[in-house]
Amino acid sequence: NAGVTQTPKFQVLKTGQSMTLQCAQDMNHEYMSWYRQDPGMGLRLIHYSVGAGITDQGEVPNGYNVSRSTTEDFPLRLLSAAPSQTSVYFCASSKHPLLAEPYNEQFFGPGTRLTVL
Amino acid sequence: KQEVTQIPAALSVPEGENLVLNCSFTDSAIYNLQWFRQDPGKGLTSLLLIQSSQREQTSGRLNASLDKSSGRSTLYIAASQPGDSATYLCAVRLAGSRLTFGEGTQLTVNP
Repeated sequence: NAGVTQTPKFQVLKTGQSMTLQCAQDMNHEYMSWYRQDPGMGLRLIHYSVGAGITDQGEVPNGYNVSRSTTEDFPLRLLSAAPSQTSVYFCASSKHPLLAEPYNEQFFGPGTRLTVL
Repeated sequence: KQEVTQIPAALSVPEGENLVLNCSFTDSAIYNLQWFRQDPGKGLTSLLLIQSSQREQTSGRLNASLDKSSGRSTLYIAASQPGDSATYLCAVRLAGSRLTFGEGTQLTVNP
């Protein structure tokens, strides 16, 4: 049971480049989400999904795109990278909120450290 | 909008000391509260989760309490060890599953 996995661990991009951060979980969790962590800002929600084919925006969605074609995978796409997107990105998963509240623990991946030059 | 505050931002203690980390939140309509540990350059490890109906949870040397009415939670660490050095984050979960995080307390336990 690998839990939540993320690739790559590190990435350097030039401004304007696009890329996809991969996230996968093997716990059959319906709910998956992406956060970014920045000094002095804490963790902020980018996008989330409550199941295959369903996604919604979080607190800071601009410049990012997501899709959820399977339960296991939830990739995050940077459309045109900007230096402001330099951050550490975390993917998380949990059971469906309506089925498992209030005891619904979120599990986090190891993170992707992204630098945009 | 839910806001989560953690005090202090940093704490340094000698090994063996008992310590308390604080977390406060503005909206008491939470489903649960989760404490995480984050080591430098690493991901988040879940330590304890307290349901909204619970008052406390314990795991080993860790004890987390929750007072919804006052919007407060504490994480008590007994007999601290150098291996406890990390950043501790609290996060509250509202309806719809969104987690709102505090900025964390950076703990250093000196041998």
